[in-house]
Amino acid sequence: SYVLTQPPSVSVAPGKTARITCGGNNIGSKSVHWYQQKPGQAPVLVIYYDSDRPSGIPERFSGSNSGNTATLTISRVEAGDEADYYCQVWDSSSDHPGWVFGGGTKLTVL
Amino acid sequence: QVQLQESGPGLVKPSGTLSLTCAVSGGSISSSNWWSWVRQPPGKGLEWIGEIYHSGSTNYNPSLKSRVTISVDKSKNQFSLKLSSVTAADTAVYYCAREDRYDSSGYYYGYWGQGTLVTVSS
Repeated sequence: SYVLTQPPSVSVAPGKTARITCGGNNIGSKSVHWYQQKPGQAPVLVIYYDSDRPSGIPERFSGSNSGNTATLTISRVEAGDEADYYCQVWDSSSDHPGWVFGGGTKLTVL
Repeated sequence: QVQLQESGPGLVKPSGTLSLTCAVSGGSISSSNWWSWVRQPPGKGLEWIGEIYHSGSTNYNPSLKSRVTISVDKSKNQFSLKLSSVTAADTAVYYCAREDRYDSSGYYYGYWGQGTLVTVSS
């Protein structure tokens, strides 16, 4: 089955740039979505189709995807960005197609 | 505005069957969307359980497939999850979600329910 690997944690000072990676075999050939989850809340989509932003998501959030790594970049980080972030892909490569989530990355704003 | 609301018992006995329903409002279960169940054990990450289309087509996580059934009730505009032979490892917050299409074949999770905690314990 397809595996997505995320760092467990990333720390960044306010106003700086945070980069959260999502590794997978030839992930660049797949469409990657990113979700933000704050404590006690359901996840919220922040990036879809590698780099598109849903309406209402600040331009500070951006994404890229190439080779074996997809990256979520958060510029000018704010305290309110502190949350868990999950990457997601659709894996159609096996006999049992389905959604796969990364293990999640906890973003800490110092 | 589309809203999804999970409901069902918050406590299930080991070896029993977990049953949850997701009521959809503000939209039709018969629209061109897939409908998913996702779970999250306490303090852990997200795990996809499975999905259904209004036609009844389903896809399941291979690791849960032998125990999972997802069904749709168009008359009630809702879909349901059944997970059999549960153990403590099935204790989690269970979310239902709507998959929205962004191109000819691509989807993402556009709407989520608030989630419901199900505890497996005697």
